[in-house]
Amino acid sequence: GAVVSQHPSWVICKSGTSVKIECRSLDFQATTMFWYRQFPKQSLMLMATSNEGSKATYEQGVEKDKFLINHASLTLSTLTVTSAHPEDSSFYICSARVLAGVTTGELFFGEGSRLTVL
Amino acid sequence: AQSVAQPEDQVNVAEGNPLTVKCTYSVSGNPYLFWYVQYPNRGLQFLLKYITGDNLVKGSYGFEAEFNKSQTSFHLKKPSALVSDSALYFCAVRADQAGTALIFGKGTTLSVSS
Repeated sequence: GAVVSQHPSWVICKSGTSVKIECRSLDFQATTMFWYRQFPKQSLMLMATSNEGSKATYEQGVEKDKFLINHASLTLSTLTVTSAHPEDSSFYICSARVLAGVTTGELFFGEGSRLTVL
Repeated sequence: AQSVAQPEDQVNVAEGNPLTVKCTYSVSGNPYLFWYVQYPNRGLQFLLKYITGDNLVKGSYGFEAEFNKSQTSFHLKKPSALVSDSALYFCAVRADQAGTALIFGKGTTLSVSS
């Protein structure tokens, strides 16, 4: 199957700093990527839909100024957590869908990035 | 709005016994249904999907799922559980193939004892 890579896999930062998480589709092009957040022992909550070359679409309740998403190319989307606070500590997972027309329906997921804000 | 329900937080089975992880869904129009598995501190691995066709879908690692339209269910099954199947399982749905993200259930922890 298609491979999605996330980096970093684990990051620890001080409160008030910004952290960037990268999501790359390694062997396919993704016009659309999705960012999820997962709290311990809970489900994945969709944060935003990232479309290449356009602004991301955020889910209700997600602060777009805090969680900046950029999808500059067909293989890379980034999530920047700005001015991070301890409550932003979480497991962030990106996923990607292959280009329309060749999609088989399922999303391919990265390995996740664990953010710990001190 | 789309939604997925996984009524069990945890399922416990003995190795070698059959297992079932339940999932029901609510969606407008035709559902596209998926099962994923997650190991600790890892991303999600795709197991199987139902888009159209046969109601019984076979997937990775010996898992299968049965789509039941009248009961709006998509239960995950395996005839003989392995200890290595122990993990967190998510059912997901989306309303159409073209657009949207997957909406996930809360997850069910499967524990297989030896």
